[in-house]
Amino acid sequence: GEDVEQSLFLSVREGDSSVINCTYTDSSSTYLYWYKQEPGAGLQLLTYIFSNMDMKQDQRLTVLLNKKDKHLSLRIADTQTGDSAIYFCAGDMRFGAGTRLTVKP
Amino acid sequence: GAVVSQHPSRVICKSGTSVKIECRSLDFQATTMFWYRQFPKQSLMLMATSNEGSKATYEQGVEKDKFLINHASLTLSTLTVTSAHPEDSSFYICSARDQGLARQGDEQFFGPGTRLTVL
Repeated sequence: GEDVEQSLFLSVREGDSSVINCTYTDSSSTYLYWYKQEPGAGLQLLTYIFSNMDMKQDQRLTVLLNKKDKHLSLRIADTQTGDSAIYFCAGDMRFGAGTRLTVKP
Repeated sequence: GAVVSQHPSRVICKSGTSVKIECRSLDFQATTMFWYRQFPKQSLMLMATSNEGSKATYEQGVEKDKFLINHASLTLSTLTVTSAHPEDSSFYICSARDQGLARQGDEQFFGPGTRLTVL
């Protein structure tokens, strides 16, 4: 199966929180990343977490890492329509398939 | 800073022809460049890693004679899809890394991608 797995779609209402989940098999990555891909644009690094951390908060973004379960999540607080994009979870050179987040007004 | 461009953004070609895709780091020197391929609803797959002035390192299952990579300078890498066939139709993305720019040692800066359609 895939090294990094994430669900393909997520739909939320504007103002709600979004949580995008990711599981991975290879635990050797030093860092774990969340990338954002807007329509017609390349991937942009959104945030990252060092593998020995459990949580990282960066403004509206919260990353949680559960190394035991090999589970990574990205929480976006107060989701806005501009957050609509595809979000990729990644370890070193291994990417998930991307979760398409749709924010409804 | 840290902008990566790709050219062309879209290309349509006939089966059997070769297509060259350029990846440029515009405002920094990329010691390493990566080429990825993205299929719809599937993971971004690393195809190869290239270091300036040396031969590219291809991932398992990627044909190096079909996907020619040249990293001739610190700001330019090219991917040539030789004798393209419809199954090569995909979205190709490059990324570049500069140790000095990265917020942490592994950060990559991605290009906008090139959509290749082979008829």
